[in-house]
Amino acid sequence: AQSVTQLGSHVSVSEGALVLLRCNYSSSVPPYLFWYVQYPNQGLQLLLKYTTGATLVKGINGFEAEFKKSETSFHLTKPSAHMSDAAEYFCAVSSLNTGFQKLVFGTGTRLLVSP
Amino acid sequence: GAVVSQHPSRVICKSGTSVKIECRSLDFQATTMFWYRQFPKQSLMLMATSNEGSKATYEQGVEKDKFLINHASLTLSTLTVTSAHPEDSSFYICSADYLGQEEKLFFGSGTQLSVL
Repeated sequence: AQSVTQLGSHVSVSEGALVLLRCNYSSSVPPYLFWYVQYPNQGLQLLLKYTTGATLVKGINGFEAEFKKSETSFHLTKPSAHMSDAAEYFCAVSSLNTGFQKLVFGTGTRLLVSP
Repeated sequence: GAVVSQHPSRVICKSGTSVKIECRSLDFQATTMFWYRQFPKQSLMLMATSNEGSKATYEQGVEKDKFLINHASLTLSTLTVTSAHPEDSSFYICSADYLGQEEKLFFGSGTQLSVL
């Protein structure tokens, strides 16, 4: 079975500060890892994904994440937060074995950005 | 970009009634759609995989007779919560599999169901 743990249901940063959202996963097979963002009253939107290859993945809106197998982590970072980054962020895992699109989600982290 | 429309966004119903939630892919055809449920402070949990023209595949522990899924066309899947009870109150969200240049999932904005 696969699982995802997102540490911190809420993360608060100041505008311009580093954003770090933590995600650890558990998977007995090589994982596919995803970060999704959800803005109020909108559907989840894919930020970035890791399947194979380069472990540092760049996504939209200046976000990136690094797959660290030894730490079973896929933390999401952004060097400088913008007010528009305030949203709910979900980390998810799947695999070729379970089906690429059958996602197991974490509980989400709400990012709050203050001026 | 591809859009998935989910309606209604919020519904309140009495215990014992049935509620239908629609998930439409607006500008692409989706042979596969997925239904998720999220209880407060918990993860989004996959309930079932809906394939156009065939029976849905339910995840372990999800009652297929209670959560009826119909995927009658390539752009519409519906989830009907039959004889809803307060414990069915949850956030339901659908996603559609876009088989374009790159396979992607597109999500609806979700439905908050409250059963009184």
